[in-house]
Amino acid sequence: TQLLEQSPQFLSIQEGENLTVYCNSSSVFSSLQWYRQEPGEGPVLLVTVVTGGEVKKLKRLTFQFGDARKDSSLHITAAQPGDTGLYLCAGERTGAGSYQLTFGKGTKLSVIP
Amino acid sequence: DAGITQSPRHKVTETGTPVTLRCHQTENHRYMYWYRQDPGHGLRLIHYSYGVKDTDKGEVSDGYSVSRSKTEDFLLTLESATSSQTSVYFCAISIAGDEQYFGPGTRLTVT
Repeated sequence: TQLLEQSPQFLSIQEGENLTVYCNSSSVFSSLQWYRQEPGEGPVLLVTVVTGGEVKKLKRLTFQFGDARKDSSLHITAAQPGDTGLYLCAGERTGAGSYQLTFGKGTKLSVIP
Repeated sequence: DAGITQSPRHKVTETGTPVTLRCHQTENHRYMYWYRQDPGHGLRLIHYSYGVKDTDKGEVSDGYSVSRSKTEDFLLTLESATSSQTSVYFCAISIAGDEQYFGPGTRLTVT
């Protein structure tokens, strides 16, 4: 059972369009991170959300943590080719006590010029 | 970033041979992790360490062992490599176990 479900798996859009990707779970997380990974490289941390309902912005990227801390979304405004990559969400489960992250399988985004 | 390196970056080996991958950090972070990344499976935790000589198993630990004799180094060993261990391996470090910072990866091919 995949604890973190990401959707969509693949997304191909034109430059300038807006998009939202989702990260859903039935488990509660004490924190949730979003990473971006480019081909041939390791994932790079974009943001961490901790509080239910929290919204964080990183330039054209807006991240939201669900009120119940079970889900999150990433919204990109006016996508650019540089946004192309694999977006991963990862959560630290409450009460797990083992300092491990659970990763989703990712959303592969292609932004076409 | 230069704070975490992996070696080798690429390796081709034959089935049945031992392989050791090295992760080196200059950040003095307490937690270190080894993941493998495969199409359709995403990132899966192999082993992790929460201090020198303190390690524990992850989701896919069978066929792998680890050692951490110094804060800065975390070694992943495949005692007898199999074709199913062909993958891209990532090391990650963390201060407190939540936000993790990844190395550039090692692409391992077992023929």
